[in-house]
Amino acid sequence: GAVVSQHPSRVICKSGTSVKIECRSLDFQATTMFWYRQFPKKSLMLMATSNEGSKATYEQGVEKDKFLINHASLTLSTLTVTSAHPEDSSFYICSASQGVNTEAFFGQGTRLTVV
Amino acid sequence: AQRVTQPEKLLSVFKGAPVELKCNYSYSGSPELFWYVQYSRQRLQLLLRHISRESIKGFTADLNKGETSFHLKKPFAQEEDSAMYYCALNYGNNRLAFGKGNQVVVIP
Repeated sequence: GAVVSQHPSRVICKSGTSVKIECRSLDFQATTMFWYRQFPKKSLMLMATSNEGSKATYEQGVEKDKFLINHASLTLSTLTVTSAHPEDSSFYICSASQGVNTEAFFGQGTRLTVV
Repeated sequence: AQRVTQPEKLLSVFKGAPVELKCNYSYSGSPELFWYVQYSRQRLQLLLRHISRESIKGFTADLNKGETSFHLKKPFAQEEDSAMYYCALNYGNNRLAFGKGNQVVVIP
């Protein structure tokens, strides 16, 4: 299957700072990327859908000014957690697909810890 | 709103025994259901989708719209089936709603 890579795998940041997570499709062009969040012992929850060259679509309850998403190319989407707080600590996972109704491939996830 | 329910968190089975993971969904539209698997220290990967109606690694799942279920079954568990399994629902444009997942442990 296709490969999706996230960077970094783990990051620790101080409260009040911003942190950027990258999601790259390594061997295919991803017109759509998705950002999920997973709390401990909970399921994955979709945060937003990112389409190349357009603004991201956020799910209800997700603060767009808090979680900035940029999908500037067909192989890269970034999630920036702004003014991070300890409650933003979580596991963030991206997935990427070539288009509607095509399989989405998942990244390995990024563990964010805000101290 | 869409919802996916997987009732049991941990399932332990002996090698060679049948495995069944339950998944129920709630969705007002036409459902598209998936099972994803995550092996230890690996990323989430697609196991089955209901529209393909195929058996993967001995696993099958049938969509029952009357019961709003998409249970995953395998007649004879293998040690390599030990993993985390998630049921997921596409609620439009490939947006997925996941269940809480089942940790399956196959005892040799």
